[in-house]
Amino acid sequence: GQNIDQPTEMTATEGAIVQINCTYQTSGFNGLFWYQQHAGEAPTFLSYNVLDGLEEKGRFSSFLSRSKGYSYLLLKELQMKDSASYLCAVMDSNYQLIWGAGTKLIIKP
Amino acid sequence: GAVVSQHPSRVICKSGTSVKIECRSLDFQATTMFWYRQFPKQSLMLMATSNEGSKATYEQGVEKDKFLINHASLTLSTLTVTSAHPEDSSFYICSASIPTRPTEAFFGQGTRLTVV
Repeated sequence: GQNIDQPTEMTATEGAIVQINCTYQTSGFNGLFWYQQHAGEAPTFLSYNVLDGLEEKGRFSSFLSRSKGYSYLLLKELQMKDSASYLCAVMDSNYQLIWGAGTKLIIKP
Repeated sequence: GAVVSQHPSRVICKSGTSVKIECRSLDFQATTMFWYRQFPKQSLMLMATSNEGSKATYEQGVEKDKFLINHASLTLSTLTVTSAHPEDSSFYICSASIPTRPTEAFFGQGTRLTVV
């Protein structure tokens, strides 16, 4: 079966760094996505990795290891507005997104 | 970037009535649109895949007669929740993809449906 695992909830301090991990097992692989979702809103795109390595985009970075079926999202210089759910999703061989349950990130002052 | 507009953003309806949700791709032609449902504190669950001009492909456990999907044009897909019940209350989200960029998904704003 297809499976995406990520922690349910994480807590971090404003200004700090947090890493959200995601492991996956899917039928085929056409890339891994990270989305941010605030309560009551649609997901917004953060990053896309299809090759191994680190992709950096401002305060956010995403890493992928295809051999390990593993990715992480790294958030630096945390701000209160970063409090949200972070969804890991893998696009399978049929170009369908398989979604993780999301990680709720709580930022404390 | 590509824009997907979903309407309405919120709707409250009485039990037994039907509700139509529209999903439009504003600046591109979307041959494929996806409809998701998301319950509180849960991830997105794919309900169906909609291809322009053909019948939608529903995921296992999703009732075709209850969740009617029409993708009559390259820019519009609709989801109609028929004979709505309180358990249908959820957040419904559509996404669309561009044929030449299949690895990108563009999301609508979502529709919060409350059935009373």
